[in-house]
Amino acid sequence: QQQVKQSPQSLIVQKGGISIINCAYENTAFDYFPWYQQFPGKGPALLIAIRPDVSEKKEGRFTISFNKSAKQFSLHIMDSQPGDSATYFCAASKSSTLGRLYFGRGTQLTVWP
Amino acid sequence: DGGITQSPKYLFRKEGQNVTLSCEQNLNHDAMYWYRQDPGQGLRLIYYSQIVNDFQKGDIAEGYSVSREKKESFPLTVTSAQKNPTAFYLCASKGGASLLYEQYFGPGTRLTVT
Repeated sequence: QQQVKQSPQSLIVQKGGISIINCAYENTAFDYFPWYQQFPGKGPALLIAIRPDVSEKKEGRFTISFNKSAKQFSLHIMDSQPGDSATYFCAASKSSTLGRLYFGRGTQLTVWP
Repeated sequence: DGGITQSPKYLFRKEGQNVTLSCEQNLNHDAMYWYRQDPGQGLRLIYYSQIVNDFQKGDIAEGYSVSREKKESFPLTVTSAQKNPTAFYLCASKGGASLLYEQYFGPGTRLTVT
């Protein structure tokens, strides 16, 4: 049973455009929502994370939007660049499970120059 | 250089053989994790450990075993009971159980079983 559902599976965006990846969850006990970026043949790396007490968090060109009532959160990449081409994973965690992460299935982003 | 080391990067085995994947960290992290990654499946948790000599099963522990005899090491054995062992395996570590700590990943080992 997938605890975190992620869409789309793949995304193609033109350079300079906005990339949007969406995730949804059911378990209201989740209280930490990170996004990871993974390049081919490498391990994932933390990109940005949010807690449910805020609705938005921005770091440079990357923004997480969080809708607690809808149990959804999304990653927005502004001014997308070819170097952003990677696989992106959303995840969720809850304090009671000692920090284990539940991952979405990933979105493969391709940014065309 | 602090970080997580996984070796080797590529591993080939014959069906029916057990194989052990190495994971070492010098970050002084308490928690360590093993994930399996398959195309389109995301990362699925195999085992995790919060302290030495203690570990818990994740979502897909069948056919795998682990040990945590030292804080810095968390080897994963893929046994012959694992029906579909070919995958990309990722080890991760975290300073502690608290959500304040970031989970860091190693570079991964790609295992191919034929």
